[in-house]
Amino acid sequence: DQQVKQNSPSLSVQEGRISILNCDYTNSMFDYFLWYKKYPAEGPTFLISISSIKDKNEDGRFTVFLNKSAKHLSLHIVPSQPGDSAVYFCAASGGSYIPTFGRGTSLIVHP
Amino acid sequence: DAGVTQSPTHLIKTRGQQVTLRCSPKSGHDTVSWYQQALGQGPQFIFQYYEEEERQRGNFPDRFSGHQFPNYSSELNVNALLLGDSALYLCASSLLYGFNYGYTFGSGTRLTVV
Repeated sequence: DQQVKQNSPSLSVQEGRISILNCDYTNSMFDYFLWYKKYPAEGPTFLISISSIKDKNEDGRFTVFLNKSAKHLSLHIVPSQPGDSAVYFCAASGGSYIPTFGRGTSLIVHP
Repeated sequence: DAGVTQSPTHLIKTRGQQVTLRCSPKSGHDTVSWYQQALGQGPQFIFQYYEEEERQRGNFPDRFSGHQFPNYSSELNVNALLLGDSALYLCASSLLYGFNYGYTFGSGTRLTVV
């Protein structure tokens, strides 16, 4: 039973355009959400997070939006750059502080 | 400042054998978590160690065990290897109460069981 779902295995975007990566969760106890980026042959790297008391968090080109009623969050990358090409993992945690990860979305940004 | 270091990077073992993977956390971190990432899947939580004790455990059999040393480094042991144990094993370090800053992951150990 997947509690964190990333339904799009891959996404292709043109350089300079917006990339939107989506994530859905089923566990209503989750109250903290994170995005990680992973390049081949490297471990995941923490990108940005959001607490359930907020609905938006921004860090440079990266913005995460949280819709608690829909149990949905999204990561926006504007503008997208070729160096953003990687696998992006959505993760969520509750009281245990142990994040549960989705399967990831592979983003390809074309020059 | 070195991040999380894992060894070895690659490993091939035979079914039924035992394996030990090692992890040195990022300087200043006191908590180590282990994850298994199968091909095409997201990382799955195995267990977390803090103050040399297993703090939490995911849905993995007892064949998976671990240890944390006084210097915060950690080992993951897997006994009676199965073909299905083939995966990338990731170690992540953090501060127990610094979770908001996210985990720092190592590059992983790629285990192949034949």
